[in-house]
Amino acid sequence: GAVVSQHPSWVICKSGTSVKIECRSLDFQATTMFWYRQFPKQSLMLMATSNEGSKATYEQGVEKDKFLINHASLTLSTLTVTSAHPEDSSFYICSAPGQGSSVAQYFGPGTRLTVL
Amino acid sequence: GENVEQHPSTLSVQEGDSAVIKCTYSDSASNYFPWYKQELGKRPQLIIDIRSNVGEKKDQRIAVTLNKTAKHFSLHITETQPEDSAVYFCAASPSGTYKYIFGTGTRLKVLA
Repeated sequence: GAVVSQHPSWVICKSGTSVKIECRSLDFQATTMFWYRQFPKQSLMLMATSNEGSKATYEQGVEKDKFLINHASLTLSTLTVTSAHPEDSSFYICSAPGQGSSVAQYFGPGTRLTVL
Repeated sequence: GENVEQHPSTLSVQEGDSAVIKCTYSDSASNYFPWYKQELGKRPQLIIDIRSNVGEKKDQRIAVTLNKTAKHFSLHITETQPEDSAVYFCAASPSGTYKYIFGTGTRLKVLA
């Protein structure tokens, strides 16, 4: 089946620093990937759609200058949280659609970001 | 845009009983409805899905029903087991996109 990995699985950083999270499709190519944010005991909120070779599409209310997305290859999308603040602490999860006619999405294991 | 509501937010059932979780969506153009199970600190796992051209789908103890006219769909789990305890999310995907809009989640507890 389709496998999506994320790195790192957790990260702690100081307020004001930037953090990069990687999302990889391991056994398939993904021209599109999605980034979600999940606060404790809440649902997954779609942040943006990552498009290989073009600009990401951000959901309403998501600051594109704060959450930089780069989809440089068919197997890698990165999310950089710039100038992180404690309120950015969350669980960040990426996903990629399956292959062929399947529209099912496969999720990465998530990255827990804690900003001190 | 699409909006998905999910009820109940918490659900406790005795082992062996059935559990039902309901979702409603707003965008009639949505045509794909997956259900995910998420255990604490882990990634969501797809448990069942249904397309808009189907009214019901079953996979062993799990079934999903869809009423397009009313724009609601439901997850049914029969013969619940303690390992079914988790948070369940429904989602809707607007036609022509792979985007998912998730419901608010249901925390299911199966009591042994």
